[in-house]
Amino acid sequence: EPEVTQTPSHQVTQMGQEVILRCVPISNHLYFYWYRQILGQKVEFLVSFYNNEISEKSEIFDDQFSVERPDGSNFTLKIRSTKLEDSAMYFCASRLRLAGSADTQYFGPGTRLTVL
Amino acid sequence: LAKTTQPISMDSYEGQEVNITCSHNNIATNDYITWYQQFPSQGPRFIIQGYKTKVTNEVASLFIPADRKSSTLSLPRVSLSDTAVYYCLVEDLRNQGGKLIFGQGTELSVKP
Repeated sequence: EPEVTQTPSHQVTQMGQEVILRCVPISNHLYFYWYRQILGQKVEFLVSFYNNEISEKSEIFDDQFSVERPDGSNFTLKIRSTKLEDSAMYFCASRLRLAGSADTQYFGPGTRLTVL
Repeated sequence: LAKTTQPISMDSYEGQEVNITCSHNNIATNDYITWYQQFPSQGPRFIIQGYKTKVTNEVASLFIPADRKSSTLSLPRVSLSDTAVYYCLVEDLRNQGGKLIFGQGTELSVKP
């Protein structure tokens, strides 16, 4: 079964540093997402991406965050200047999303980001 | 998006059937009901999705009454490995962005 992959599995960084989290969505999927989950809290939507542009973003996704699909396979989340409160699990997801069809989002295993 | 309400936690024993009920009183005509499962330190995993009546797959069954204001996820004969958090979500398939809004979920603990 195809799966979403994410690297690295764990990233430790110093406050103020830039980090790039990488994802390889399922190959024929059209929509891509980033979510985060702070320890002990619920999964929160960050951003959705379609046709090489952001289709929706949450209020969490401020100017410190950016997303990119640099080639046909990778989807990245960049945090420009990390803060302590950015420590969380970051999940990438993708879905095919044919018009009017019921389908699901497939989530990756996550990257645990620790900001010191 | 319709708000969902589900129990915060449930306990069960191996071999029992577990039913987790979710209420979504404000569900709209175009909304589907989707359930996800999440193990600690892993991404959510799709379990089942339905619109009305009953849906069954190899993992679970989903029961949706005619008014669609609630739904029940049924896990037959649970094992220890079914210990996880289960999320009930309502999705509008007309929303091209398709973001998922997670609640707190139901933390299911299966004991031997």
